[in-house]
Amino acid sequence: ETGVTQSPTHLIKTRGQQVTLRCSSQSGHNTVSWYQQALGQGPQFIFQYYREEENGRGNFPPRFSGLQFPNYSSELNVNALELDDSALYLCASSLGRGARTGELFFGEGSRLTVL
Amino acid sequence: EDQVTQSPEALRLQEGESSSLNCSYTVSGLRGLFWYRQDPGKGPEFLFTLYSAGEEKEKERLKATLTKKESFLHITAPKPEDSATYLCAGEGYSGGGADGLTFGKGTHLIIQP
Repeated sequence: ETGVTQSPTHLIKTRGQQVTLRCSSQSGHNTVSWYQQALGQGPQFIFQYYREEENGRGNFPPRFSGLQFPNYSSELNVNALELDDSALYLCASSLGRGARTGELFFGEGSRLTVL
Repeated sequence: EDQVTQSPEALRLQEGESSSLNCSYTVSGLRGLFWYRQDPGKGPEFLFTLYSAGEEKEKERLKATLTKKESFLHITAPKPEDSATYLCAGEGYSGGGADGLTFGKGTHLIIQP
């Protein structure tokens, strides 16, 4: 059973650029959630995808967007990067709606630095 | 707005010295209260789910409990390998899609040999 994998692990961008982060979910999981974790803070919910559709969204602007593919892998896209977007981006997979939805399996994250 | 507050922010204990971490929560339509462990440079690792007041869960040296306003993570006779940041999170339900988990800032626990 493979766990959640994320890529890239580290990246540096400049303000105004765009970034795509990728995530492969744990085998058998059809739900993917993305979280942003700033230094010294707890993770903040960005959005969740269930069977290729956005199933819920936190308090993040539209320049944060995502996709989920038929194999349940996922992408997080951030446009027009700002300095405050510097953070660890965590992908988490879980079983679908109504089934232990809060028991998340996290990847190790993608560390984004915006200069 | 949902809120989860953890205390203390940091805690240093001697090996074998038991203690408790606190999590106060205000989460609309609470569906579950979760505890995670996070090691430096890693993603959080799921520990426990608590669904209703009075519920308790145990795993090795850890025991989680839940009341209507708080949750506690009790650590009994900790070892250095228990050193980590412990995160508490609530899952709410506002009637639409998924609300996601609302996390606290965590308690950074250091166990000294």
